[in-house]
Amino acid sequence: DGGITQSPKYLFRKEGQNVTLSCEQNLNHDAMYWYRQDPGQGLRLIYYSQIVNDFQKGDIAEGYSVSREKKESFPLTVTSAQKNPTAFYLCASSPGLANYEQYFGPGTRLTVT
Amino acid sequence: DQQVKQNSPSLSVQEGRISILNCDYTNSMFDYFLWYKKYPAEGPTFLISISSIKDKNEDGRFTVFLNKSAKHLSLHIVPSQPGDSAVYFCAASGQDNNDMRFGAGTRLTVKP
Repeated sequence: DGGITQSPKYLFRKEGQNVTLSCEQNLNHDAMYWYRQDPGQGLRLIYYSQIVNDFQKGDIAEGYSVSREKKESFPLTVTSAQKNPTAFYLCASSPGLANYEQYFGPGTRLTVT
Repeated sequence: DQQVKQNSPSLSVQEGRISILNCDYTNSMFDYFLWYKKYPAEGPTFLISISSIKDKNEDGRFTVFLNKSAKHLSLHIVPSQPGDSAVYFCAASGQDNNDMRFGAGTRLTVKP
């Protein structure tokens, strides 16, 4: 049963702490993405990766970091430098960057207080 | 700068009737358009798409219409069913997925 998993579903952190959100896919997709969703706004691209060991900044990369050491995994770290980290985070994948249909995970809701 | 806009945050429709969800975009370089559906506690799932060389694409009860001159697309669901109740996101892309822009979503409620 292929798909994308994100964990945890809910995450609470104190301000000033780094936190890492997990994203794993078993679809054998090359491309992976991280989006952020805020109330009343569309999904905004944080980072994307076309292939293992390569990743590029999206529209709102400041305060975030990623790694892509394995094809299946694309963890996102929300650093203390991110000014408004409380949001809903979605991970997605697609066979390649030019394949428009993306497959999304269930998301992680991060609350920083 | 919101390049893709869904101006109706919510829509309520009676079961069996037509649901029409609208989406406007500003970037004339977009050439591929998608609709995603999202249930609570789940990620968005792909529903239907259309490329800029077409003005209509149909898949069962779902039809997407594209009006390039007006930079407008719409999703028609006929007949609407209670299971269609979800948030619908419109998305538009240029050459690659890193260009993709999403609307804020429209929450559709289909009443039995």
